[in-house]
Amino acid sequence: EPEVTQTPSHQVTQMGQEVILRCVPISNHLYFYWYRQILGQKVEFLVSFYNNEISEKSEIFDDQFSVERPDGSNFTLKIRSTKLEDSAMYFCASSELARVGEQYFGPGTRLTVT
Amino acid sequence: RKEVEQDPGPFNVPEGATVAFNCTYSNSASQSFFWYRQDCRKEPKLLMSVYSSGNEDGRFTAQLNRASQYISLLIRDSKLSDSATYLCVVILTGGGNKLTFGTGTQLKVEL
Repeated sequence: EPEVTQTPSHQVTQMGQEVILRCVPISNHLYFYWYRQILGQKVEFLVSFYNNEISEKSEIFDDQFSVERPDGSNFTLKIRSTKLEDSAMYFCASSELARVGEQYFGPGTRLTVT
Repeated sequence: RKEVEQDPGPFNVPEGATVAFNCTYSNSASQSFFWYRQDCRKEPKLLMSVYSSGNEDGRFTAQLNRASQYISLLIRDSKLSDSATYLCVVILTGGGNKLTFGTGTQLKVEL
């Protein structure tokens, strides 16, 4: 069964450093997403991406965040200058064009900012 | 008021029991509804979509009440493997493809 993959599984970084989280969505999916979940809290939407551009973003997704599809398979989330409050689990997801509510999530990257 | 509200639980039930969860949403124009399941420290996984007429998938039954703005999930004949957090998820009208999650209801099925 096709699945979304994410690397790394755990990233530890110092405050102020840049991090890039990587995802490989399911190959025939056209919508890609990033969500985050702070420990003990609900899953929160960050951004959606379609046709090589951002289709929607949340208030959390400020100028410190960016997304990119550098090639035909990878989808990345960059945090330019990490803050302590960026510590969370970051989930990538993808969906088919016709079933956007049925999103398939990757296993997540746990980001720890020290 | 939260966009999607759920009782956090935990609901502790014996194996074989029937258990029901409710969820309320604040935006009456919400358009799509889902139940996702999340195991501890894992990713959310789609359990089922919720249709206006109600729908069933094996031991799981989902209902939508638009007038009262709530969604329910019924699990019959609970298994130990059903232990997880059940997430109520909504797509708000005008919300694009953004999933709006509730905080989840924790279920523990015991021997």
